[in-house]
This record gives sequence, C-alpha cells and structure tokens, in this order.
Amino acid sequence: EVQLVESGGGLVKPGGSLRLSCAASGFTFSSYSMNWVRQAPGKGLEWVSSISSSSSYIYYADSVKGRFTISRDNAKNSLYLQMNSLRAEDTAVYYCAREGGSIAALASWGQGTMVTVSS
Amino acid sequence: SSELTQDPAVSVALGQTVRITCQGDSLRSYYASWYQQKPGQAPVLVIYGKNNRPSGIPDRFSGSSSGNTASLTITGAQAEDEADYYCNSRDSSGNHRWVFGGGTKLTVL
Repeated sequence: EVQLVESGGGLVKPGGSLRLSCAASGFTFSSYSMNWVRQAPGKGLEWVSSISSSSSYIYYADSVKGRFTISRDNAKNSLYLQMNSLRAEDTAVYYCAREGGSIAALASWGQGTMVTVSS
Repeated sequence: SSELTQDPAVSVALGQTVRITCQGDSLRSYYASWYQQKPGQAPVLVIYGKNNRPSGIPDRFSGSSSGNTASLTITGAQAEDEADYYCNSRDSSGNHRWVFGGGTKLTVL
C-alpha cells in the first residue's frame, strides 16, 4: 500500500523558514516524480512544485519560485520542501503527491501538514 | 500559464446523474484528471486519462472530453459522493507544471 506521510508544518513568522518532509513507503520511491500541492484554508488546490525521479527536472509555481526549494533523497525514500521568506499567503495545508508513472495524474496523496505564517 | 475553470457548486438529487465540467486551453492537449476531496481529508484520484478509474473507485464515476472541456459524470449519485471535485492537467505552456481547476462543491439532495 502506498503511504505518504508529511511532517514539519507549524507556526512561523513572516519572513521565516520551514522545512517540510514527506516519508514514502509501499512503492519504489526512486521511480516516481513527486510533487507538493497546497490548499489555503477554505480554498482550492494549488500546485507548488515537482521533482523528477532522479532530481534532474525541477519545476515551481510562479508564486513560490525563488523562495521554495524542492529536493529528494531516494536512499531515504523522502521528499522535502525548504520554504524561505514565508508570507501570510503561504498559509495552507501542504500535501505531497506521487505522480502515476504512466498515468498523467497525481495518483497518491499524503494527509498533509499545516503551515501557518503569522506574527 | 493556463487556467482551468469549474462551476463553484452543483447539486443533484439522490440517485440521479450529475455532470461536473472543467474548461481550459490545456485540455485541448492533455486529458483532465479528477479528484474527490471530502472535508478534512486529502484529495483522492477518481478519474484519469481518457476515462480510467483507479482501483476501488465505483463505476458510477466516468470521464469524457471534447475540445477544451472535460467532464466528470456520476451516474446514480450517492450520499457519500457529496464532496469537492477538482480537475487538473498539465499546463499547456510546455513547462511541465500542473494546473488545477477552482473546484466544484457537489451537494447530494
């Protein structure tokens, strides 16, 4: 069974930093592209960033480019999101999501971790 | 970048059929995927590709596409189908990004 477990969320002041982690199990992590998707309170889903299986290709939403850095450690079956220069509008639940391989979709999702940016 | 547009809310009587639509330029190049999200839960993939359901998704869920519009149809809606539904696809700008629709709140009456 595919499992994705996010951690690292919390309360941070504007301008601060936070590092999110996503622990993966139940599949060959090194074979799949991974993503971060966020959802502000009461709002819809917003794609944040993606990373290919070998970290060769990395993409960001314009809203986080230059502030967030996605990375992965295939030896540890883990995905990360380093978030710097945080703003109030970054407040959201952050989900890690696995792409479907041959399926052009986000096939599996974690339960999410809440990030609150507030003074 | 491209955008995907969904109706904010749709309602359906119990047991009836409902169609939820998603419009956007990227859908001329890519199939939409559809996700169901219930309150306090993570999204769940319900339809991908031309019209494919992941294991465990009931066959009352189906997908279709024409031009710049993708549709999710629930045939014989059940009370447990009440949820938010999001479409998504690759961004048609060729930059390998994903884009989501704004979501449709489905109410089963």
